[in-house]
Amino acid sequence: EAGVAQSPRYKIIEKRQSVAFWCNPISGHATLYWYQQILGQGPKLLIQFQNNGVVDDSQLPKDRFSAERLKGVDSTLKIQPAKLEDSAVYLCASSLYPSAGAAYNEQFFGPGTRLTVL
Amino acid sequence: GQQVMQIPQYQHVQEGEDFTTYCNSSTTLSNIQWYKQRPGGHPVFLIQLVKSGEVKKQKRLTFQFGEAKKNSSLHITATQTTDVGTYFCAGRGGQGAQKLVFGQGTRLTINP
Repeated sequence: EAGVAQSPRYKIIEKRQSVAFWCNPISGHATLYWYQQILGQGPKLLIQFQNNGVVDDSQLPKDRFSAERLKGVDSTLKIQPAKLEDSAVYLCASSLYPSAGAAYNEQFFGPGTRLTVL
Repeated sequence: GQQVMQIPQYQHVQEGEDFTTYCNSSTTLSNIQWYKQRPGGHPVFLIQLVKSGEVKKQKRLTFQFGEAKKNSSLHITATQTTDVGTYFCAGRGGQGAQKLVFGQGTRLTINP
């Protein structure tokens, strides 16, 4: 079974530029997550989708970050304009839809996109 | 908002020694998950705990969920060099909360 795919793997941009990341979750996974992981810290949830609807985006800096999952499958995360503090690894993860009576399912992470903002 | 804290931040051991990392939440959790991230890699799911006082074992790894469902621990017996990495706990709050909040992780290094 193929894992979560992300591209690009690395990106270097200058501050105030724009950047976009792409994620293709595991087939059949209804839930998709975007995390930001700053060096030495744990992943921080930016946005969580259930199919193509947003479940949680409380920690997404909406003045510069946007994300979409139009057909309920793959997703893009955009930063415009980027700031120095956006330098981090952006992780995409997916999980099955939590079924009734079961606890929430494990999340499968992609390899991440390492963003450097100069 | 919900906060999850882990200690210690770093741990260096001799191969064969035991290792424990502790996780504490500011709020009661519905469940807690543990992930391992190898250097340069991405988090990989290890286990999920749901019940108060639950204990689960995976070979040399023992996971516990506190009675109050606000803390958890991971204990590794007789560490091996393959155990190197950062261990994260991630808690999900009660009352239907769906967001998983990660701790800052414990980085384990091992002297062979």
